[in-house]
Amino acid sequence: EIVLTQSPGTLSLSPGERATLSCRASQATSSSYLAWYQQKPGQAPRLLIYAASSRATGIPDRFTGSGSGTDFTLTISRLEPEDFAVYYCQQYGSSTWTFGQGTKVEIK
Amino acid sequence: EVQLVQSGAEVKKPGESLRISCKASGYSFNSYWIGWVRQMPGKGLEWLGIIYPGDSETRYSPSFQGQVTISADKSISTAYLQWSSLKASDTAMYYCARRAGPVDYWGQGTLVTVSS
Repeated sequence: EIVLTQSPGTLSLSPGERATLSCRASQATSSSYLAWYQQKPGQAPRLLIYAASSRATGIPDRFTGSGSGTDFTLTISRLEPEDFAVYYCQQYGSSTWTFGQGTKVEIK
Repeated sequence: EVQLVQSGAEVKKPGESLRISCKASGYSFNSYWIGWVRQMPGKGLEWLGIIYPGDSETRYSPSFQGQVTISADKSISTAYLQWSSLKASDTAMYYCARRAGPVDYWGQGTLVTVSS
């Protein structure tokens, strides 16, 4: 079973700053099956990035996914007020899923 | 429009059984895997398992194998998550989610509270 470890646990930043979130897999995983989700309090998660670097429909271009093998990154180029939330990476290969434990992006 | 509509919140006692539902509409129910995800209060997302309604093939997370049962009724486009004997530690929000590669649609969540 692939384990995904996200870092940092919490990121304290100001609006307009750049956020860099990491997701590391315990074994090499196909980038075709790596996604990122955003979750706000009281809401279901929302798909941001799939196949490691493809933006989902309607996702602004300030969200960028990258990486391969065991190391993946979500970058938010300039934080908007609505971007403060919790972010999860997920691997979804072979119809089995694993989620990282999440990174909270909070207002500094 | 694709929708996953889950059943309402439940309050149960330890040892009771429970089945929650996820009704799909707006797409071919038989053709997409439906997964279930747990979120305990203040915690992250955990995958429980997934079912392909077309042939009822089901896969479980090793952490939840034997703890829950996932099923689907094609005739009414509904997936289910059930427990035979609830524990207080089952208290959580449960989401159903459609797999189209990644998860592209989520249900609104069903809050399950288990308390004596």
